[in-house]
Formats: sequence, structure tokens, C-alpha cells
Amino acid sequence: DAKTTQPDSMESTEGETVHLPCSHATISGNEYIYWYRQVPLQGPEYVTHGLQQNTTNSMAFLAIASDRKSSTLILPHVSLRDAAVYHCILRPTGGNNKLTFGQGTVLSVIP
Amino acid sequence: EAAVTQSPRNKVAVTGGKVTLSCNQTNNHNNMYWYRQDTGHGLRLIHYSYGAGSTEKGDIPDGYKASRPSQENFSLILELATPSQTSVYFCASGDPGGAREQYFGPGTRLTVL
Repeated sequence: DAKTTQPDSMESTEGETVHLPCSHATISGNEYIYWYRQVPLQGPEYVTHGLQQNTTNSMAFLAIASDRKSSTLILPHVSLRDAAVYHCILRPTGGNNKLTFGQGTVLSVIP
Repeated sequence: EAAVTQSPRNKVAVTGGKVTLSCNQTNNHNNMYWYRQDTGHGLRLIHYSYGAGSTEKGDIPDGYKASRPSQENFSLILELATPSQTSVYFCASGDPGGAREQYFGPGTRLTVL
């Protein structure tokens, strides 16, 4: 399976904009970039996804490099509720559509 | 809103006993998945299904069976539970296709003594 590399942890202060990086140097042309987040004692929650173009929704902005070898999840004005483990995942368009989770980035938010 | 529920939420079983974890989705999704999550590991895929009557092996299927009797329900079965199967189990549903997100249930915490 294709791999992603994320920092183990990051810290932010409430109200700041957070940039969570993800490296995926061996990404294939048919692979989507997905972001999920997970808080303790809950299942993963979908955040956003993209293929080539930057995307935005109510939760986050996803910036994808032009060569698609890296991406950045941007969380504007974080709150304490955004503290979670953020997973960057590559998902092919075919097959069983399984998600392969790594360790992700633990985002801590300070009041 | 997409909904995936799991039961039980917590389970204590004895070694060698049979355990059944249940999952129900009201999203009318074709695909359903069972993952387990352990400290130091990300979620790992155990079994999945493309629809009623279908079950497929995931990355770590040994010691587990799955059953998909209907579009809505997907069960994970441990015929002979072992302490190594102590974990948190997550069920998910989703439609096929790369641009489709998966929706996860709240998880079942299983302890095998």
C-alpha cells in the first residue's frame, strides 16, 4: 500500500490557523488523498478529501501540491474541539476502497 | 445523516468463548468494513463486504469470521476468542468509488480474559 508520512504531534493555541503536513511521495495517479480525525473513545470522522485540486468545506481547507507528492490540511481558527489525531490516507479509486490508517498527527490545542 | 451503530459497546469474554459483534447502518451503503485498533497501530482491516451475502478477507482475517445477512447488518464473529483479540473494533460503511467517504461507528471495546 502507498505510504504517507506525518509529524507525530503538533501543538496550537485556540483561534490560530493550523497547518498539518502530509508527505506522499509515491502517490499513484488514481489515488485520492483523504483526511480523517479521531478523538479518544470515538470512531474516525471524515474531514475532507481531494485528488488534484485544492478543496474546502466547513471543516477544513486541503492544499495539494502541484506534483501531488504532498498535501496540507489547514484548520482555520481551531478550537478545543479540534484536538484529535489527524490521519492522512491514500485511497485508490478501485478495489475494496479500504482505508489504511497510520499513526497520524496528534494535534493538541491549548486554551 | 449517515449513521452506523455497533453493539455491544463493551464486552468481556473468556478465552475460548464465542463472541459476536454487530453493526448496523442506515446509509444504504453497499460496502461495510470491520477494523480493529490497538495501541501503537492504526486501524487495521479485518473483513469487509460488498453487499448482502458477500464477505471478503481484509489484511488481518485470521481468527475472525464475518457475516452480511442484509444490506444493513454486518457481524464480526470470533469463534474461539483469545486474549490477543482484546482490542477496540470499529465498523464502517461506505459506497464504492474513490471519492466516497466511509462512516464509522462508535466502536466496541472487547476484552478477552
